[in-house]
Formats: sequence, structure tokens, C-alpha cells
Amino acid sequence: ETGVTQSPTHLIKTRGQQVTLRCSSQSGHNTVSWYQQALGQGPQFIFQYYREEENGRGNFPPRFSGLQFPNYSSELNVNALELDDSALYLCASSPGSVRPGYTFGSGTRLTVV
Amino acid sequence: EDKVVQSPLSLVVHEGDTVTLNCSYEVTNFRSLLWYKQEKKAPTFLFMLTSSGIEKKSGRLSSILDKKELSSILNITATQTGDSAIYLCAVCPLNSGGSNYKLTFGKGTLLTVNP
Repeated sequence: ETGVTQSPTHLIKTRGQQVTLRCSSQSGHNTVSWYQQALGQGPQFIFQYYREEENGRGNFPPRFSGLQFPNYSSELNVNALELDDSALYLCASSPGSVRPGYTFGSGTRLTVV
Repeated sequence: EDKVVQSPLSLVVHEGDTVTLNCSYEVTNFRSLLWYKQEKKAPTFLFMLTSSGIEKKSGRLSSILDKKELSSILNITATQTGDSAIYLCAVCPLNSGGSNYKLTFGKGTLLTVNP
């Protein structure tokens, strides 16, 4: 068991819709990062949250947004879904200032039709 | 922009073989290089290599960092069918602010170990 929980595990949405993915970080971890992994690709960094504030962002458009809550859990929101948003979305938590030895969740498989 | 290239992209071997996976990188202000194993969904952490820890070993797996050549290798000896997975290499830059750990991943190497 990884200690990082993501929900839902699978999701099918229609182009143009909005989606919210959820992540509960491992106990004691105050930093949450989100990654998008398209089929046959490595994970790509979307953004990171540290103590409820965005702390770094990758090359993703503003329709990708997030939140981190006081208990360090996090949400990833994607508006105006496109077919290319179909991917595995991975959440990773880390203890912040110690080391980047992320603990990944099992991911949410999003399919946009 | 940081970049990671892994080779080969896929590899098929027989149980008992030894394999070497390659990773080359370009990163501004290198902090560390990490190896992950991804079987179904969640990548699981294998090794982290830094300037002060360029060689790591765990059982049949070992990894070396070559800072001069900007590359790393992951060796697996006496492979087993359970080693079948995607092996991901990632680099982490040294940023100001301490907690900004953005990993840049390669595409991964798909290793298939046949019985």
C-alpha cells in the first residue's frame, strides 16, 4: 500500500466537460505534486502544492487548476476537456524539504470521448 | 528546459539474463537523478543518486551516476519475470525555495522478462 490515495480510479468524460480528481497525501507529507502520463510517455509535471499554495507549474494551460486543503489533500480540476487530456493522472506526495523521494498514488485513468 | 532520454525504449530478455538500462539527461543545476519501477499504475521508487551518492545497490538492482557524461545506468542481474515493468528515469533540479521538487521524466524503458 502506497499511502497516497487517489479517486476515482477510472473516469470517462465527454469533450468540453469539467473533471475533478482527488488525492489524499501520505501522513506527514505537506507537498503534493500532480503529473499527467499519456500512453507510452513518462509522467509530465503539471503543478505542485506546498502548504496550500501553488509552488511551481509545468507547461499546462490555465484550464488545469488545483487546490490543496489544510489536511494537505489536493484536487486537480480540468475544465473544457479535450481528447488529448486522456491520460493517467498521478498524484505524488513528499515531506517537503527533506528529499524528492516521492510516494506516488495509483493514479486516475481519465478517458475523454 | 530539462530533458531526459532513456534507451532502449523496450527490451525483451529471458529469465536469468542481465540487463542494462540507460538514461541521459540535461538539467539546469542538477540536484538528483531518480529511478522508478512502474508495473501497473503507481511508479515505485528504486534509487536516488546525487553528487555525493553516485552508486546505489539493492539486491539484484544497482545504479551508477556519471556526472561527467550526464548519464546513469540501471543494472538488473539474474532477471526474473517479476522484473517485467516500465523503468522510469527522472531528474530533479536544484531550485531556490527548498520544496519545489519538479521531476522531469524520460519516456521509460519497457522491460519484458520471459520465462
